[in-house]
Amino acid sequence: DAGVTQSPTHLIKTRGQQVTLRCSPKSGHDTVSWYQQALGQGPQFIFQYYEEEERQRGNFPDRFSGHQFPNYSSELNVNALLLGDSALYLCASSLWGSNTGELFFGEGSRLTVL
Amino acid sequence: LAKTTQPISMDSYEGQEVNITCSHNNIATNDYITWYQQFPSQGPRFIIQGYKTKVTNEVASLFIPADRKSSTLSLPRVSLSDTAVYYCLVGDRTGGFKTIFGAGTRLFVKA
Repeated sequence: DAGVTQSPTHLIKTRGQQVTLRCSPKSGHDTVSWYQQALGQGPQFIFQYYEEEERQRGNFPDRFSGHQFPNYSSELNVNALLLGDSALYLCASSLWGSNTGELFFGEGSRLTVL
Repeated sequence: LAKTTQPISMDSYEGQEVNITCSHNNIATNDYITWYQQFPSQGPRFIIQGYKTKVTNEVASLFIPADRKSSTLSLPRVSLSDTAVYYCLVGDRTGGFKTIFGAGTRLFVKA
């Protein structure tokens, strides 16, 4: 049973560029949430997707956008990259109707903006 | 969303029991208390969840007093591999909720 997979694992971009990160949820899960984790900080909630729609959003600018596909996989897009966007980006999957709300996280995509 | 407060860091020795307390004074009636564990360069991992009294699983125990304004994660006989960051989260667990992480507690287990 494959867990949450994310790609790429590492990437380096320069300021002003755009980046797309990808996530495949755990088998059987239908909900994907994205988090940004700066070094030494807790994960910060970006947004959550269910049924191909953004359901919840954290305090992130419109430069951060996402998409969920019919197979439940998801993408996170960040435009006009800033140095402060350097972080570990975590994808978490869950089952919308679960009775625990447990999140299953991937290993993350580490983005460095130069 | 109820805000949580937990110690920034804790030290322990192998074989000891570790208790990490989290304060959540504004917890709502529908809120559950959930703890996650995170190792360096990995995503957080669900440890335990509870609503009131005591919950125990193969990894930890969670103690929640009657007023639910705090909770204590108890790790029995810790080992070096329990060195990690532990997050206390409070929120509704139904669909559509957003799970919000705080800064967490960094636990260092020494030999």
